[in-house]
Amino acid sequence: QVQLMQSGNEVKQPGASVKVSCKASGYTFSSYDISWVRQAPGQGLEWMGWFNAYNGKANYAQKFQGRVTMTTDTSTSTAYLELRNLRSDDTAVYYCARDLPWLSESDYWGQGTLVTVSS
Amino acid sequence: DIQMTQSPSSLSASVGDRITITCRASQGIRNDLAWYQHKPGKAPKRLIYAASSLQSGVPSRFSGSGSGTEFTLTISSLQPEDFATYYCLQHNAYPWTFGQGTKVEIK
Repeated sequence: QVQLMQSGNEVKQPGASVKVSCKASGYTFSSYDISWVRQAPGQGLEWMGWFNAYNGKANYAQKFQGRVTMTTDTSTSTAYLELRNLRSDDTAVYYCARDLPWLSESDYWGQGTLVTVSS
Repeated sequence: DIQMTQSPSSLSASVGDRITITCRASQGIRNDLAWYQHKPGKAPKRLIYAASSLQSGVPSRFSGSGSGTEFTLTISSLQPEDFATYYCLQHNAYPWTFGQGTKVEIK
């Protein structure tokens, strides 16, 4: 069965970087994009972007341009989200997802990784 | 960016009630809209794709409608497990954008 397993919670200082991993299993990893969505405390869902493991193409929300890098390692079926120059308002739960919202295929999500930015 | 205005932001309802949530897009998005259910401590779950198609395994009390700029999610008879926050997502243009969410609480 399809599973996405994310790395553990992180605590970072302002200005630092964080790299969240998302290990996929149960399907051909390079056949699907991986999206990243976050939810800050008390806030709604926010789409951050997606990465195509097949061709290496990424699409980032403008808000995160210059601070975010999404990558994959096809040898380990793992997707990564790196966010740099962290601020307190980056404190959030970060989710990876295999989700094609225009298709009938089921969506699959990681369990979420809490990133806390605090001095 | 396409803005998705979702209403209401919260509602209180009883088991068995019929409820409707609306999402309005700031520009036409055809039927490039999905609806998600999100419970605390869990990952979101897609209920509806292409504005009105029910995801496999999702109970038939959920339905979606709309096209262009106005969309609705209806739960025909609210069940205890339906108390959650619901979001619309437009994927017509980048960046994809979620509505602000509608929290459905028990009356």
